[in-house]
Amino acid sequence: DAGVIQSPRHEVTEMGQEVTLRCKPISGHNSLFWYRQTMMRGLELLIYFNNNVPIDDSGMPEDRFSAKMPNASFSTLKIQPSEPRDSAVYFCASSFLGSVGDTQYFGPGTRLTVL
Amino acid sequence: GENVEQHPSTLSVQEGDSAVIKCTYSDSASNYFPWYKQELGKGPQLIIDIRSNVGEKKDQRIAVTLNKTAKHFSLHITETQPEDSAVYFCAAQPGTYKYIFGTGTRLKVLA
Repeated sequence: DAGVIQSPRHEVTEMGQEVTLRCKPISGHNSLFWYRQTMMRGLELLIYFNNNVPIDDSGMPEDRFSAKMPNASFSTLKIQPSEPRDSAVYFCASSFLGSVGDTQYFGPGTRLTVL
Repeated sequence: GENVEQHPSTLSVQEGDSAVIKCTYSDSASNYFPWYKQELGKGPQLIIDIRSNVGEKKDQRIAVTLNKTAKHFSLHITETQPEDSAVYFCAAQPGTYKYIFGTGTRLKVLA
């Protein structure tokens, strides 16, 4: 299996611009997670989808962040408008069931820099 | 609230020595404890995990121990090699899907 695929791997943008991050989960997995990693806050869960439905978006920082999962093989995380404090590495992870003891597999991440 | 403390934050060992990383969790409902290794520029990769009905698990040079009474779990790496250098994260799963991650340990194996 190719694992979780994320694009782009690096994104540099200017403050105020829209940013879209993309994720393809592992085939057959029905749970998808978006995380943000920073030195100050570590790994933070932003949103969790199960069977393409958002279950927990309590980690989404503010209305500037939105996420969609139109089908089982694709998800996007959008930031509009972007701000310098959004600079971080964003990871997508997937798991088979999203249940107790279910392993999450991480993608390579997107390093976002907002100038 | 839910919390996982991880120590130490940095660890340097000589090649061939052992390394131990310790985590403490707060939610007694946690039943699953994965460990991830993150190399520079890459995503976290699962290296070993343990479930609450097991006290110890070993996979070649890596072992994990769990003490549910004390709410402690530890990662042990024996015969360390330079390629073991990375950041290691512990996590606890207190519910159905959410992981609570530790703050990470940067391990340096000195050749």
